[in-house]
Amino acid sequence: EPEVTQTPSHQVTQMGQEVILRCVPISNHLYFYWYRQILGQKVEFLVSFYNNEISEKSEIFDDQFSVERPDGSNFTLKIRSTKLEDSAMYFCASTAGGTDTQYFGPGTRLTVL
Amino acid sequence: GQSLEQPSEVTAVEGAIVQINCTYQTSGFYGLSWYQQHDGGAPTFLSYNALDGLEETGRFSSFLSRSDSYGYLLLQELQMKDSASYFCAVRDDKIIFGKGTRLHILP
Repeated sequence: EPEVTQTPSHQVTQMGQEVILRCVPISNHLYFYWYRQILGQKVEFLVSFYNNEISEKSEIFDDQFSVERPDGSNFTLKIRSTKLEDSAMYFCASTAGGTDTQYFGPGTRLTVL
Repeated sequence: GQSLEQPSEVTAVEGAIVQINCTYQTSGFYGLSWYQQHDGGAPTFLSYNALDGLEETGRFSSFLSRSDSYGYLLLQELQMKDSASYFCAVRDDKIIFGKGTRLHILP
């Protein structure tokens, strides 16, 4: 069964450093998403991406964040200058259609020291 | 504003039935989804209701009333492995998650 994959599973970085989180969505899916979950809290929407551009973003997704689909398979989230409060699980999700079921990857745990 | 309300915790006995309620207030609405999340894991899709009524998938059922902005997840024949957090989520162009209900199952 096809699945969303994410790398790395755990990323530790120093405050102020740039990080890139990688996702490989399900191959025939067209809509891609990033979510984050701070430990013990709910899952929060960050950004949605379709047709090589951002379709919607939340207030969390400020200028420090960017997304890219550099090739036909990868979907990346970049945080330019990490802050302590960026420490969270980051989930990538994809779906075939805009209102179809979203399938989540296993997540990347980001720890900012 | 947009909000989803669900109980923070529910406790039930193995083999029993439990219902987790969710009320929502959102600007857009395509449907109500339910996700299960075990500690340290990713959200896993359980069910999706776009229309009013009951959807049944094995031991899990989900109900939606659009006029009441209300839905619930019903888990039957509870097993210890069902201990997890359950999130209701409104499907718009994105998913808006509730804060989750922690289900504790007693033997």
